[in-house]
Amino acid sequence: DIQMTQSPSSVSASVGDRVTITCRASQDISGWLAWYQQKPGKAPKLLMYPASSLQSGVPSRFRGTGSGTHFTLTISSLQPEDFATYYCQQADSFPLTFGGGTKVEIK
Amino acid sequence: EVQLVESGGGLVQPGGSLRLSCAASGFKVSSYYMTWVRQAPGKGLEWVSVIYSGGDTYDADSVKGRFSISRDNSKNTVYLEMSSLRAEDTAVYYCARVQRSGRYPIDYWGQGALVTVSS
Repeated sequence: DIQMTQSPSSVSASVGDRVTITCRASQDISGWLAWYQQKPGKAPKLLMYPASSLQSGVPSRFRGTGSGTHFTLTISSLQPEDFATYYCQQADSFPLTFGGGTKVEIK
Repeated sequence: EVQLVESGGGLVQPGGSLRLSCAASGFKVSSYYMTWVRQAPGKGLEWVSVIYSGGDTYDADSVKGRFSISRDNSKNTVYLEMSSLRAEDTAVYYCARVQRSGRYPIDYWGQGALVTVSS
């Protein structure tokens, strides 16, 4: 199984800050990486797939980079609605595996 | 509009059984890979099972032999049959659709069904 390691597990930031989340895969997954946003009590929402492609309706302040085993999600200027937990997921093969999540909290 | 609506969650004793249903609309479940993902209280996401468009299934090691995914094409519904339930199976269970192009991202999720395993 492909292991996904996400860091940091939490980050405190202010509106307008730049936030970067890192995700590493235990083996080469090319660009087959998805990023999700989850708000409390809600289902995850697909933000980016493949690694650097924004889903329809996702603001351009979200940017994904990386390929192979190292990926990043950057929020260039944090907005109030961006406070949530973010997960990466390798979409290369089953069993699907997720990173442990990064909670973006208000400073 | 794509919608996934789970039902069947609830409280069950350890060792018991439960069946979750996921009614889909806006697409045909038989044309997509359909999957279940769970989330224990305060924890991250854990993939559980998948049923491929051809009908084959694949389960996570943590549920293998205890859980079974299936579908009814005439009802456009996916099921997760759970047996020999343990306390560690307590979670919100999400039914989800795997996007049809470019490997396996999940593009639609249901609202989730809470399963609590406790005596």
